[in-house]
Amino acid sequence: GQNIDQPTEMTATEGAIVQINCTYQTSGFNGLFWYQQHAGEAPTFLSYNVLDGLEEKGRFSSFLSRSKGYSYLLLKELQMKDSASYLCAVRWNTDKLIFGTGTRLQVFP
Amino acid sequence: GAVVSQHPSWVICKSGTSVKIECRSLDFQATTMFWYRQFPKQSLMLMATSNEGSKATYEQGVEKDKFLINHASLTLSTLTVTSAHPEDSSFYICSARVVGGDSSYEQYFGPGTRLTVT
Repeated sequence: GQNIDQPTEMTATEGAIVQINCTYQTSGFNGLFWYQQHAGEAPTFLSYNVLDGLEEKGRFSSFLSRSKGYSYLLLKELQMKDSASYLCAVRWNTDKLIFGTGTRLQVFP
Repeated sequence: GAVVSQHPSWVICKSGTSVKIECRSLDFQATTMFWYRQFPKQSLMLMATSNEGSKATYEQGVEKDKFLINHASLTLSTLTVTSAHPEDSSFYICSARVVGGDSSYEQYFGPGTRLTVT
């Protein structure tokens, strides 16, 4: 199967740094996405990795290791508005995206 | 940026009736659109891949006769939930892939449609 694993829930403090991990099956891998989703809303695109390494976009960075089937999303200088679900999604061979279970992040003051 | 709309944003229907949800790409053409379903506190589950001018490809466990998908143009795909039951109540989200662009690996999501079946 196309398994994608993420922690179910995480908590952090405002201003801190949090890392959300995602592991996936490597066979046929063709790109990994991170999305943010607030309750009741559609996902919004955060990052895309297809090659190994770190992609940085402001407070958010995403890392990929294809050989290990591993990615993480790093959120710096956490703000209250970052409380949301973070979805790791992987494309294998075809266009379709398979989503992980999502990680609910709660940021406390 | 690419914008995808969905209509309606929410709908309440009675058990046994059918509901149609529209997904439109507003400023780009999409040969491929995807339909997802999301239950409360769960992640998105891909239901089907909708290709313009051809039959949709359904994921395992999704009833094609219950969830009818039509992708008649490059900017419109529709999902019809036939004979809806309370267990079909969910958040339905579509996404569209940009045709041939350099960022063609990115999908753009619609705002979602919340379906409640009473």
